[in-house]
Amino acid sequence: DGGITQSPKYLFRKEGQNVTLSCEQNLNHDAMYWYRQDPGQGLRLIYYSQIVNDFQKGDIAEGYSVSREKKESFPLTVTSAQKNPTAFYLCASWTGHGYTFGSGTRLTVV
Amino acid sequence: ILNVEQSPQSLHVQEGDSTNFTCSFPSSNFYALHWYRWETAKSPEALFVMTLNGDEKKKGRISATLNTKEGYSYLYIKGSQPEDSATYLCAFLDSGGGADGLTFGKGTHLIIQP
Repeated sequence: DGGITQSPKYLFRKEGQNVTLSCEQNLNHDAMYWYRQDPGQGLRLIYYSQIVNDFQKGDIAEGYSVSREKKESFPLTVTSAQKNPTAFYLCASWTGHGYTFGSGTRLTVV
Repeated sequence: ILNVEQSPQSLHVQEGDSTNFTCSFPSSNFYALHWYRWETAKSPEALFVMTLNGDEKKKGRISATLNTKEGYSYLYIKGSQPEDSATYLCAFLDSGGGADGLTFGKGTHLIIQP
């Protein structure tokens, strides 16, 4: 079945460490997105990529980095510069009509 | 940053009752309004994509209406069932097109009480 796979489901990070969240899709979609959700907040756009080897900052890109070396993969790195990284992270791809979402990664800084 | 508001933030409804909630969005540069259902521990699932003023869409017991001139959409659930318990998200797409990303509201958290 086609879809988006995010891994891991839960991730714990020590303060000061970088960590990478995986997002893989087998839908042949060009555009992919990373969103962050905090309690009581809507989904906020971190980064997006419309095509391989190209990506754009979203509304809250500071402290994050991405790469898009392959169409299928759009990993998100949460760097030590991100002041408040504990959150739920969702990856999505654009179907042409809407989004298909992954099941998310919950990142906790310990 | 675009402002998309959803109300109420949470809602408790008795099983069998009907309910509705609201999404308000900018009335300028409108392209589309999306509704998603997000059940706990699952991925958000697309419900409707609405593009035309006056649109009304239906999927089983769930329907949605759209008013682009005044910038709001209603989601209705008729005869609520426990499986309707979820967070319902609306998302606005401006005339820049889809590839730049949707702007989401905070969601309405619906709990159906047996």
